[in-house]
Amino acid sequence: GAVVSQHPSWVICKSGTSVKIECRSLDFQATTMFWYRQFPKQSLMLMATSNEGSKATYEQGVEKDKFLINHASLTLSTLTVTSAHPEDSSFYICSTLPRTKPQETQYFGPGTRLLVL
Amino acid sequence: QKEVEQDPGPLSVPEGAIVSLNCTYSNSAFQYFMWYRQYSRKGPELLMYTYSSGNKEDGRFTAQVDKSSKYISLFIRDSQPSDSATYLCAMVLRGGNKLTFGTGTQLKVEL
Repeated sequence: GAVVSQHPSWVICKSGTSVKIECRSLDFQATTMFWYRQFPKQSLMLMATSNEGSKATYEQGVEKDKFLINHASLTLSTLTVTSAHPEDSSFYICSTLPRTKPQETQYFGPGTRLLVL
Repeated sequence: QKEVEQDPGPLSVPEGAIVSLNCTYSNSAFQYFMWYRQYSRKGPELLMYTYSSGNKEDGRFTAQVDKSSKYISLFIRDSQPSDSATYLCAMVLRGGNKLTFGTGTQLKVEL
């Protein structure tokens, strides 16, 4: 299977600070990457779709100025949680779509656990 | 009504049992169907995917799709304690690439 990495795997920060999470596709080029958030005992909620070289598309209810997404290359997308608050504490997971097979399914990273104090 | 319905469990079975996990969906435009396994505090891992009605087998896992009934299943044979995890069904619309997830079923395989 494809390999997707995320960094950091967990982070604790103070309220009001910004946190950057990296998602890397290690096995293939990914034109499209997705960012999800998962609260305890709940399913994954899509936050945004990140396309290389263009602006991300955000799902309804997700603040684009708070969750900044940059997809600068075909193997790297970043999510920055700006001015984080305790309610932003969650498990953030990225996924990638292989560039050569857009109809194939997504491969997920290991997730980043964020705790905002 | 949610687009994808999945019993959250928890489901507890003895080692060696056959496990049946199911999802129903309401939108007939869903074309691709996947099953993911997620261990606690980890990202989902793709187990199976299919796009046609019928069965697809991979080792101890069999994915079944019935588009006429809008029903998909995942069967796990000879279940092991290491299979204990949350199983998520997911679907993609025809022409799309966004995953729509079920809520996930928590499975525990006991010794």
